[in-house]
Order: sequence, then structure tokens, then C-alpha cells
Amino acid sequence: DQQVKQNSPSLSVQEGRISILNCDYTNSMFDYFLWYKKYPAEGPTFLISISSIKDKNEDGRFTVFLNKSAKHLSLHIVPSQPGDSAVYFCAASADQGGSEKLVFGKGTKLTVNP
Amino acid sequence: KAGVTQTPRYLIKTRGQQVTLSCSPISGHRSVSWYQQTPGQGLQFLFEYFSETQRNKGNFPGRFSGRQFSNSRSEMNVSTLELGDSALYLCASSLAASSDTGELFFGEGSRLTVL
Repeated sequence: DQQVKQNSPSLSVQEGRISILNCDYTNSMFDYFLWYKKYPAEGPTFLISISSIKDKNEDGRFTVFLNKSAKHLSLHIVPSQPGDSAVYFCAASADQGGSEKLVFGKGTKLTVNP
Repeated sequence: KAGVTQTPRYLIKTRGQQVTLSCSPISGHRSVSWYQQTPGQGLQFLFEYFSETQRNKGNFPGRFSGRQFSNSRSEMNVSTLELGDSALYLCASSLAASSDTGELFFGEGSRLTVL
């Protein structure tokens, strides 16, 4: 039973356009959400996070939106760059960021074409 | 400062053998957690150690075990290896302080292939 779902295994966009990666969750106790980016042969790196008390968090080209009623969050990358090509993991926590209880989605592979 | 270091990076074992993977966290980080990454399941939580104690455990069989030393370095062991254990094993460290944002710092992983 997957508590964090990334239903799109892959996404392809043109350079300069917007990339939207989606994530759904089922556990209403989740109150902190993170996105990680992973390049081949490297470990995942933290990208951006959002607490359930907010509905939007922005950091440069990256914005995460949280819709608690729909149990849905999305990561927007604008404008997309070829260097953004990676696998993106959505993760959720039920104790305000206590890192030991993160639940990850299966990931979405983003390809940004020049 | 140095990042999370995992050894070995690659290894090949046969069914029935056992394997030990090592992880050195970022200096000052007291929490070490382990994840298994496979193409079909994504990242799955194995267990987390803090101050030499296992604080949390994921849904993996008892063949998977770990420990943490006083210097925060951690090892995980998989006994009686099965083909399905082939995966990338990732270690992550964090401060685990009350002000922690939950950010994990991952190592590059140990790629295990079971033949």
C-alpha cells in the first residue's frame, strides 16, 4: 500500500518551458513534504520542502504547491533547463520533518530537451 | 566538509551469502538512516539509528540488520542474500536536532548485485 504516489514514471519537456511533477499521498497524518533530486550514480539531494501550514513555497526556479484537501502536491520548475534532467522523488513525513520517518514515492524521471 | 561516504560502491555476491555495507555520516550528524532503491519500488526506508540505537525500522525481513557505532558510523548487514536483494543501498545522515528541517544528506550508495 503506497502512501506516497508519483503516478508519472517519466516526463519530458522542452528547455525553457515549465515542468510540473505531481505527487499524491494517502496518509492524512503527513504534515511535512520534501522533494529530492537524483542524478545517475549519485545519492538524492534535497531540493525544496513545504510544511502543511503553507500551501506554497518558492525557491528560485522551484515552487512546491500543497493542496491538503486533495492530498496532492506538485513541484513546478520554471524555466526548465537541461541540467534539471534527473529523477525527482517526493517524500512525506508525519512528524514535522523528523527525518527518520520519511516515506518516498517511486520517483519521476524528468528529461529536459534542449 | 566531507559528505556522506559509503563503501563499497559496487559489489557482487551470490545467493545465500551475506554482505556488510558501511556508511560514514557528515561530521556532527547523529542520525543515520538506510534506504533501498529498486526500479520497481523506488526508495524504501530500511531503518534509522541515532546515538547507537535503532529508532525506527521499515518493513523488511529480519535478514536486514544494522548498527551504529559511537562515532556515528553505521553498518548494515544482509544475510542469506536473495536475488531480489539486488539494489542500490543508500545511506543518509541528518542532524536530528529539534530544529532540524528533516533534510537528509545522502551518500552515493552501494550497488549490490546478487547472482
